[in-house]
Amino acid sequence: SQQGEEDPQALSIQEGENATMNCSYKTSINNLQWYRQNSGRGLVHLILIRSNEREKHSGRLRVTLDTSKKSSSLLITASRAADTASYFCATVRDYDMRFGAGTRLTVKP
Amino acid sequence: NAGVTQTPKFQVLKTGQSMTLQCAQDMNHEYMSWYRQDPGMGLRLIHYSVGAGITDQGEVPNGYNVSRSTTEDFPLRLLSAAPSQTSVYFCASTWNPDSYPYEQYFGPGTRLTVT
Repeated sequence: SQQGEEDPQALSIQEGENATMNCSYKTSINNLQWYRQNSGRGLVHLILIRSNEREKHSGRLRVTLDTSKKSSSLLITASRAADTASYFCATVRDYDMRFGAGTRLTVKP
Repeated sequence: NAGVTQTPKFQVLKTGQSMTLQCAQDMNHEYMSWYRQDPGMGLRLIHYSVGAGITDQGEVPNGYNVSRSTTEDFPLRLLSAAPSQTSVYFCASTWNPDSYPYEQYFGPGTRLTVT
């Protein structure tokens, strides 16, 4: 079964607004990663946060991890129309990587 | 570097046929994996390999075989195609398995339809 579950399933915002997506998971993990998928394409790695880290930043991306609640969030600041895509969290335990069903983000110009 | 390549891009099979989806990477990655993605769902791990000669099952391995004779190639074989295997298949790879999987690099996908 899928490990991560994203929330919301779909999110629609205006350009310039911030977008927040959440991921919850069930078992202990080594790290958690966020990926982006443009329609019909492969996934692209965005950011990785290890289980002993609480927050990571990369450009306009901010990821938090709360292992006690088994949850993570991805914040995209000052969104652009080009950020329109599906975003997936992936939990990693040993050699096993499990993906959630994703959040579909639409950024309106 | 070409990265992760997959062939074919599209394939239509009849029920019961067999075929092999090809995956290759030129980044000298030890870890390679196969996923399937169904509409409205995330990716589900089919099989993975932590190095040449080593393979293991993922979440949904039934109906699929893999082998890893070289570091570069990781083909996925459908033994007897079924309509339930209609999906988009992604191959991915990454480096050293000791602290893994780290960030994975994905191929462009193979869209398979089984009629």
